[in-house]
Amino acid sequence: GNSVTQMEGPVTLSEEAFLTINCTYTATGYPSLFWYVQYPGEGLQLLLKATKADDKGSNKGFEATYRKETTSFHLEKGSVQVSDSAVYFCALSDDLDQGAQKLVFGQGTRLTINP
Amino acid sequence: EAQVTQNPRYLITVTGKKLTVTCSQNMNHEYMSWYRQDPGLGLRQIYYSMNVEVTDKGDVPEGYKVSRKEKRNFPLILESPSPNQTSLYFCASSLSRGSYNEQFFGPGTRLTVL
Repeated sequence: GNSVTQMEGPVTLSEEAFLTINCTYTATGYPSLFWYVQYPGEGLQLLLKATKADDKGSNKGFEATYRKETTSFHLEKGSVQVSDSAVYFCALSDDLDQGAQKLVFGQGTRLTINP
Repeated sequence: EAQVTQNPRYLITVTGKKLTVTCSQNMNHEYMSWYRQDPGLGLRQIYYSMNVEVTDKGDVPEGYKVSRKEKRNFPLILESPSPNQTSLYFCASSLSRGSYNEQFFGPGTRLTVL
């Protein structure tokens, strides 16, 4: 079945540091890939997505590129802010999985940015 | 405002006492889903619904029921809750079936079963 593995946390960085959160996936079909963010006490929000190989998703200074050859979708940001502190989830969705849209999530990475 | 709402946000109950967590969306979305979030496991799908009166099991359906009588509502029912159902629950919706569609999440319901 489909699965997502992401970098274990927690990750603690200083403000303005470079961020990478690794994400790799296993899928039988041609999935869409997502990064969701969960701020404290809130539900998940879509951060960015990519629907086919070599697509780059970007939002709020975050980027991730869909790499089919390495089955990866790593999240990057050049200069993090304290407000980026949250839990980040990598996820995939594949129409072939049980014939319905289902998000398969990684375990989440807690990111803390110190001023 | 386009949103997914859940009630209650917090619930403490005892083993065996039936409960319902409501979920409602105002975006006319066809697809709705329930997930549970547990530490170290990410989110796992419990049930989903592709339209009114169409529901199916996700990865962890045991101990849960759902119904979809109206397009906007998708309640999660625990007929006889047990402590292993203590978790954070999220309802989600999306416009239609299609792996590229964004799912919109509710704020979550934190359930504790004693």
